[in-house]
Amino acid sequence: GQQVMQIPQYQHVQEGEDFTTYCNSSTTLSNIQWYKQRPGGHPVFLIQLVKSGEVKKQKRLTFQFGEAKKNSSLHITATQTTDVGTYFCAGISGTYKYIFGTGTRLKVLA
Amino acid sequence: NAGVTQTPKFQVLKTGQSMTLQCAQDMNHNSMYWYRQDPGMGLRLIYYSASEGTTDKGEVPNGYNVSRLNKREFSLRLESAAPSQTSVYFCASGRAVNEQFFGPGTRLTVL
Repeated sequence: GQQVMQIPQYQHVQEGEDFTTYCNSSTTLSNIQWYKQRPGGHPVFLIQLVKSGEVKKQKRLTFQFGEAKKNSSLHITATQTTDVGTYFCAGISGTYKYIFGTGTRLKVLA
Repeated sequence: NAGVTQTPKFQVLKTGQSMTLQCAQDMNHNSMYWYRQDPGMGLRLIYYSASEGTTDKGEVPNGYNVSRLNKREFSLRLESAAPSQTSVYFCASGRAVNEQFFGPGTRLTVL
């Protein structure tokens, strides 16, 4: 079946360093979404990418959708302690079925 | 607006017991979802309901049943709980392929 893999599984960075997580699907996706989950919390939507090669920015966060619509990345510039949490991608194949990646847990050391 | 609410927040069951997890949303969303989250596994879709009156299986439906009671409510039932069903369960709602809004989760332990 369809799989969505994320790397790395864990990342520890010093505050102020950059961070990137990558998401790869075994099949072509309709859309891809990114979520953030704080420790002990629930996932919160960050963004959705729809077009091939699309790049979107939210302040220090940059999201990319690959040309083949099978991979995506999230880059955070100059991390802050508030960025701590687990970042998930969710690939959409068809209308309603979301396949979540395994997540990247980010720890930011002050 | 309360968003997505889930009850209970925590539950401990013995193997073989049954229970129903409740979920309600007040955002007038057509679509509702049940996920389970296990360490290192991300979120896995159990069942979803694209609209009132319809339900479909996700990745891991075995051992679960669902009911879309009305547009607001979507419940998840474990008929005979097993230790492998120990997990955190999240309900979510949304409009088709747009952002999903998640509830706070139910932490279930099956002994």
